[in-house]
Amino acid sequence: GAVVSQHPSRVICKSGTSVKIECRSLDFQATTMFWYRQFPKQSLMLMATSNEGSKATYEQGVEKDKFLINHASLTLSTLTVTSAHPEDSSFYICSARGPTGVGGYTFGSGTRLTVV
Amino acid sequence: GDSVTQMEGPVTLSEEAFLTINCTYTATGYPSLFWYVQYPGEGLQLLLKATKADDKGSNKGFEATYRKETTSFHLEKGSVQVSDSAVYFCALSDTGTASKLTFGTGTRLQVTL
Repeated sequence: GAVVSQHPSRVICKSGTSVKIECRSLDFQATTMFWYRQFPKQSLMLMATSNEGSKATYEQGVEKDKFLINHASLTLSTLTVTSAHPEDSSFYICSARGPTGVGGYTFGSGTRLTVV
Repeated sequence: GDSVTQMEGPVTLSEEAFLTINCTYTATGYPSLFWYVQYPGEGLQLLLKATKADDKGSNKGFEATYRKETTSFHLEKGSVQVSDSAVYFCALSDTGTASKLTFGTGTRLQVTL
């Protein structure tokens, strides 16, 4: 079945630094990728939707300059948290969807970001 | 806009008990409906789905029926196991190939011996 690999699974960084999270579709071409943020014991909040080769569409209230999303190929999307602060600590999850529904909505295993 | 309402948890059951997690939705079109499961520290896994009215999705003993008349997609399992302990999310997607998912708030299930 469709597999999405998300890396790293856990990262600790110092306040003010940037962190990059990768999301790869391993066995299908992901024309659309979604990035979510999940707070403890809460649901997933969609941050942005990215289509291969075009700029990401951010949800209202999400800072595009802080959460940089790149979807340069059909198998890779990255989320970079720039100038991270402790309030950015969270669980980030990506999801990929192929053309005409290929791959359905397949989720990565998530990245636990802790900013100290 | 689209929305999904789930029953609040946590739900605590003894092993072999019957499970129901209620889910209702609001959508402007004809959405597809999903149940996802999240185990601690992991991403989401698709549990089951239904794409049109009266469809029944089923997997691993779980099932849910797409009820258009009541705009519901309740999750049921006849006999839960300790290994079913997780958070369950109901979700919908609008018609279209790249539509985003709208999630409910999630329901935590704890199954005890």
